[in-house]
Formats: sequence, C-alpha cells, structure tokens
Amino acid sequence: DVKVTQSSRYLVKRTGEKVFLECVQDMDHENMFWYRQDPGLGLRLIYFSYDVKMKEKGDIPEGYSVSREKKERFSLILESASTNQTSMYLCASRRDRAYGTEAFFGQGTRLTVV
Amino acid sequence: RKEVEQDPGPFNVPEGATVAFNCTYSNSASQSFFWYRQDCRKEPKLLMSVYSSGNEDGRFTAQLNRASQYISLLIRDSKLSDSATYLCVVNRQAGTALIFGKGTTLSVSS
Repeated sequence: DVKVTQSSRYLVKRTGEKVFLECVQDMDHENMFWYRQDPGLGLRLIYFSYDVKMKEKGDIPEGYSVSREKKERFSLILESASTNQTSMYLCASRRDRAYGTEAFFGQGTRLTVV
Repeated sequence: RKEVEQDPGPFNVPEGATVAFNCTYSNSASQSFFWYRQDCRKEPKLLMSVYSSGNEDGRFTAQLNRASQYISLLIRDSKLSDSATYLCVVNRQAGTALIFGKGTTLSVSS
C-alpha cells in the first residue's frame, strides 16, 4: 500500500520560531509537493520537488523553504513562523513527471502559530 | 481569473438524486485532469481521471471539453456516503504540479 507520512498531526508554535514539517513516502516517487489548505481558499501549492536536491516554487512560496536531501523525504521549513501561516499543511507524492499519474497525500499537519 | 474554478456549492440533495459539478480551467496548456474527493478532516484522494473521450466508473461520469476548457462530474443515484468535497484538479503541463480548485461540497440526505 502507498504511504505518505507526515511527522505530526497537530503542532502549536510561537511567532518567530523556525518550524520544520517532515514528510516521508515509501513508494520511491520522484515528485513531492507541499500544499496548504485554508477555508475558502482550497489547496494552494507552496513548493514542489522533481528529484533529490531539486525544488521549484509553487504559487505561495513566501515565508517558506524546502529541503530534499533524500528521495523519500521532503521537508517544509517556516523560517520565522507568523500567525498567517496557521493552516493545514498537506504533503503529496507522485510517481513521475508523466501525465496522468495519481498524487497520494499524507494525513496533514494542522499548524497553529500563536 | 483563477486557474481552476468550480461551482462554489454547497449542493444539498436527497438520496437517489443525480448531481453535476462543473469546473473550468484557464491554462490551455493543461494536459491532465482529475477529480479528487476529500472527506471531512481527511486528505484528498483520487476519485477518477478525466479523459477527452469521457469516462465512467460506476455511478460517476467525468467529461472533458478541451475547446471550452471545461470539466464535469456527474453522480447518479447519490448515496449518503457520497457526502464529501469534490476537488477539480488540473496538471498544468508536463513536470509541474497539480493545481486544485477550491472544491464543491456535496451533502446527501436521507
């Protein structure tokens, strides 16, 4: 069975803290993604990665960075957490760059910044 | 214009009803199209891919009109278990990520 695992379901952090959200997939997928989901705004793409050490900005990269040192792991970093980064964060992975392949999601991390 | 736009909903229907969701996309270079389903407090999961010729999976039928940049999902004989948010998803072009619509909420009641 396909598995994408996010390190935490719920996280509470203080404004200004550096926050790491971890995502691991066990399917040997090349592509990995980070989205955030907010009421009324849907899923918005933050960053994605085609391969190890490769990354590309999505639609809302400001205030975030990513790291992909190993194929199975994709980390999202909030350099200095702010209250407007309170959200549900979803990690996804996908087999390759070909058309039509399914993306599998982790269970999500609900981050609250206070 | 948003890259992927959906009917805002919510759709409230009785069991057994037929319901249709519509979606438009703005990037004519988009290559792949999907419908995902998201249950409350759960992650999105693929419902079905959408092909130019149209495709059917049981009670679900998806259609794509490339000329109009329009995607639809038809659910026949709605069940209580169909209650969820349905997400229209577009792959811009090869090698880029999936872009999601905001979703349409369906509530099926007995």
